This record gives sequence, structure tokens and C-alpha cells, in this order.
Amino acid sequence: NAGVTQTPKFRILKIGQSMTLQCTQDMNHNYMYWYRQDPGMGLKLIYYSVGAGITDKGEVPNGYNVSRSTTEDFPLRLELAAPSQTSVYFCATYRVEDNSPLHFGNGTRLTVT
Amino acid sequence: AQSVSQHNHHVILSEAASLELGCNYSYGGTVNLFWYVQYPGQHLQLLLKYFSGDPLVKGIKGFEAEFIKSKFSFNLRKPSVQWSDTAEYFCAVIISSNTGKLIFGQGTTLQVKP
Repeated sequence: NAGVTQTPKFRILKIGQSMTLQCTQDMNHNYMYWYRQDPGMGLKLIYYSVGAGITDKGEVPNGYNVSRSTTEDFPLRLELAAPSQTSVYFCATYRVEDNSPLHFGNGTRLTVT
Repeated sequence: AQSVSQHNHHVILSEAASLELGCNYSYGGTVNLFWYVQYPGQHLQLLLKYFSGDPLVKGIKGFEAEFIKSKFSFNLRKPSVQWSDTAEYFCAVIISSNTGKLIFGQGTTLQVKP
């Protein structure tokens, strides 16, 4: 099993550009999450999903969008990149029935200039 | 809104000192609680978790945490820290009776001096 796969690993965007961060999991976990990590701020929840077709805003959703058309995929979309979105982004999954811990992807380091 | 607070932002200890990191959450219902550690340049890894049962939870590397429901707290402890414990520590809470929202505290940086 690959676990949680995030792409790309690194990306540089210009202000106003758009991009999609991909997250795919092969563990059949129902819950999926997007976090951003900034120094001294911990991990902030952007969006989360408890299953296909269901998404909810987290703590810092502005400037982002998500979709969950399948159990496996949970892409994060930045429509108009801003310098404030420079961060490290992590996708994570969780299977409530197993009481399993969060499984994290390897992260995407995004710079907006 | 639900929140998780870690009161200690930066802790400096000498080796063999005892450690206690505070974590409080704001939610009155059933919760699942976690402590994660992030070593420099690495990803988060789970130290321990609480779902139900004994409120004193033992984790890896000699860490333990106590869930005190009346205080909405889940403090992390270790009797004797080592230089290798230098890392950032995150408390996290999932509201199990809600819609799966899982939020983290802002983290505590622990520096252990040899």
C-alpha cells in the first residue's frame, strides 16, 4: 500500500495563479483532511471530509476549495494564489472505525511570490 | 468554536529533568485526543492517543498523558527527558460525536540541553 500520496512536493506560484494540490489514499479511510503548517502556528485545518460527496470548512478555508468525488481523492484548489498562502500543506486520513491515528502525506511546500 | 490550546510555546530543559506540556480543549462532548511529535526536518508521528477507558495513557519513548475530563485537559508528561526529545510537540483533538473535525494546538517547542 502506498498510504497517502501528495503531489507535487514543491511548487512556486506567482501571485494570482491557480493550482491544485493532489491527495490520494489507498487505505479506504473515510475521513480526509487538509492542513497547512506555518512556523509557530502549528497545523491549521483548511478543509475536511468525512466521506465521498461531503466536505466541510475547517479553521482557515478562505482562498481554498476542495472536492471529494471518490473515497480515494481529496484535491485542494487554490484559485488566486496570494503570498499569505506560502506554507507547507499536509493531507491526512483517518479511519474512525479502526481508531487509527492520522496518516499524513509527505507534504507540499508552496511558495507564492 | 472548538479550539485546542497549548500554553507552553517554548520549553527549555536540561537532560533528566521532568517534562509536562499542557493541552486544553474547548468542547463539552466526547473527544478523542492525540499527542504528536515532529523532530527537526521530519514529519509528524504519533506519541499516544486517548479514545476511552483508563485516562492515563502510555505512549512511545516513555511519554504518557492524562485525560482530565473535568478540566478539559490532556497534558503530556515524561519523567526524565533526553537530548533526543528535542522536537516540536502538538496536541490534537477530534470531536468524535461531531463530523470528524480534527484540530491541532499551536505546538510547543521543546529544547533539551545536554
